Amino acid sequence: QKEVEQNSGPLSVPEGAIASLNCTYSDRGSQSFFWYRQYSGKSPELIMSIYSNGDKEDGRFTAQLNKASQYVSLLIRDSQPSDSATYLCAVNIPSFGNEKLTFGTGTRLTIIP
Amino acid sequence: GAVVSQHPSWVICKSGTSVKIECRSLDFQATTMFWYRQFPKQSLMLMATSNEGSKATYEQGVEKDKFLINHASLTLSTLTVTSAHPEDSSFYICSARVWGQGLRETQYFGPGTRLLVL
Repeated sequence: QKEVEQNSGPLSVPEGAIASLNCTYSDRGSQSFFWYRQYSGKSPELIMSIYSNGDKEDGRFTAQLNKASQYVSLLIRDSQPSDSATYLCAVNIPSFGNEKLTFGTGTRLTIIP
Repeated sequence: GAVVSQHPSWVICKSGTSVKIECRSLDFQATTMFWYRQFPKQSLMLMATSNEGSKATYEQGVEKDKFLINHASLTLSTLTVTSAHPEDSSFYICSARVWGQGLRETQYFGPGTRLLVL
């Protein structure tokens, strides 16, 4: 089982609709969760971080975390063509003295005008 | 967010040469930086963790003698690809760890360095 799993997509969403991206992780000890956006040929850009169960909203983005289900999601409201990118879920895997992020393979999102 | 720079952004070199990539934290001090590699249409793969003033910690399968990492100051880490070969051609990205409230960490990425070995 992969440590961090995402549906690779592509996920196509009409402009103005809600895009829903999902991620599951295997290590129950994980405490920090991140969503990064990566445009083609560019490096990842931090979109959201979430550390506690529940929802966290920032503008059009909402991150949702359910530690019991080992599930984290990202909702993008009022999707825009500029949201078309690959979205990477990253989870901090606990390792005494050597904490590091483990990334999913990413979900490619396309917003259709 | 914190700003991380990388230099150069593009490198083209001949097989057998060594290439040095710099990663700098511009507006903060980073005791820990990370080096990733990304091949086309694949996800980020962590190569090593770079700690200021100590030896880097390499991930399994990454040759430490080939990928030399030096983190000599709180704002600079370097990755040297020694005797580069075409299979080393990739997108190399560094990140820096930032600690926030409640000891919550976040990683901010540099813009990446694209290496092409001919």
